[in-house]
Order: sequence, then structure tokens, then C-alpha cells
Amino acid sequence: RKEVEQDPGPFNVPEGATVAFNCTYSNSASQSFFWYRQDCRKEPKLLMSVYSSGNEDGRFTAQLNRASQYISLLIRDSKLSDSATYLCVVTDPNTDKLIFGTGTRLQVFP
Amino acid sequence: EPEVTQTPSHQVTQMGQEVILRCVPISNHLYFYWYRQILGQKVEFLVSFYNNEISEKSEIFDDQFSVERPDGSNFTLKIRSTKLEDSAMYFCASRETRTDDREKLFFGSGTQLSVL
Repeated sequence: RKEVEQDPGPFNVPEGATVAFNCTYSNSASQSFFWYRQDCRKEPKLLMSVYSSGNEDGRFTAQLNRASQYISLLIRDSKLSDSATYLCVVTDPNTDKLIFGTGTRLQVFP
Repeated sequence: EPEVTQTPSHQVTQMGQEVILRCVPISNHLYFYWYRQILGQKVEFLVSFYNNEISEKSEIFDDQFSVERPDGSNFTLKIRSTKLEDSAMYFCASRETRTDDREKLFFGSGTQLSVL
């Protein structure tokens, strides 16, 4: 089983749509979880951390289900500028290295 | 906002040649990392570095790879004898503290290495 697994997409959605991405991770001892955004051939940029209680930042909502080892990201009212690859990232429980998923590609069209 | 700076942005080299990728981490950061991303694949951890020594390295980081912080500001990744499969985007990253604000990992814009 892959350490961090994501649906690669692409997700093609119209402006204004709501879209949800899912991610599963294999190591139940992992402690920290993140969503990063990566534009084509650019560096990953932190979008938000993910907490067990769920957290929201504007149009973005992240959820963590530790029992199912499942992480989600919801984007409401999609903008053209949201087009990017969204990376699910988990920390290795024994070190501080980040373990990245392969990413889910989102394309928002007018 | 402070930045991690990487040079060059693109590096083309012949197979078997040595390359040095350079990074200037954010000045008050103490933990340094190299990650790489082969085209179309996920970002992969290579090595972490703290207090002038390697903290952890991945299986990818074999004897052909080395890191150095030669002068207190630069952080370099050297590949001694490049292979075709070393072609990738290499990202440097730095962090101020290890466990607090773990999410405050800053990535540089990357060096695209092409081995011919």
C-alpha cells in the first residue's frame, strides 16, 4: 500500500463549483497532516494544516479521520486561480520528513 | 516574506559529470532539507541536515550524493557522477524549529536538473 494515496484526477469543474479531494495514508502513527498546492513546475506551497477537529480557511475546508486514515479537502466557489495540483502530505511519525502523495490535479474552467 | 533561494534555476549536464545545486535558506532557520520531484511523479525526501550533519537520508541519497553547509549561509547538494535518472526538479527547504510550527517549512523555487 502506498504511504499516501490520492486520486490523480484531473478534476475539471466550472467556476463556482464545489469540489472535494480525498487522501488516505498508511501509517496510523502519523501525527501531522497538510494540504499543499503546487502549480506547474513550481515549488509546493502550504495551503493548510489538517486537524482532527477539522479546520476552515475561507473557501477551503480540511478534515481528518484518524480511524479511517483519511484526509479530505473541500473547495467551495472554485475560482480559475484554484487550478493547480493539490498534494496531500503526511509527516513520518519517527522523523520530521514530509511524505507526499502524487497529487490531484484540478482544472477550473470559465 | 522571507525566501529560500536556489541557484541555478536550470542545470544541464552530461551523464557522469558532477553537479552542485545551491541553496540559501532563510537566515534564522536551523533545519535544512533537499527533496526532489521527477517529472510527473511525487515529491520525494532526500536528506535532512541539522547542526552541520545529516539527520536523516532516504534510500535515494546514496554515495553519489552529499550535502554541505560550507559557509554558514549556503546549503549545497552535490551529485558526484550524474545518471540519467537523476534528472528531476530539486527543491531545497528550511525550517526554524523542528517540532513547533512544523508546517512552517519553506521551499525554494527549485533547480531543474537535466542529465543528458
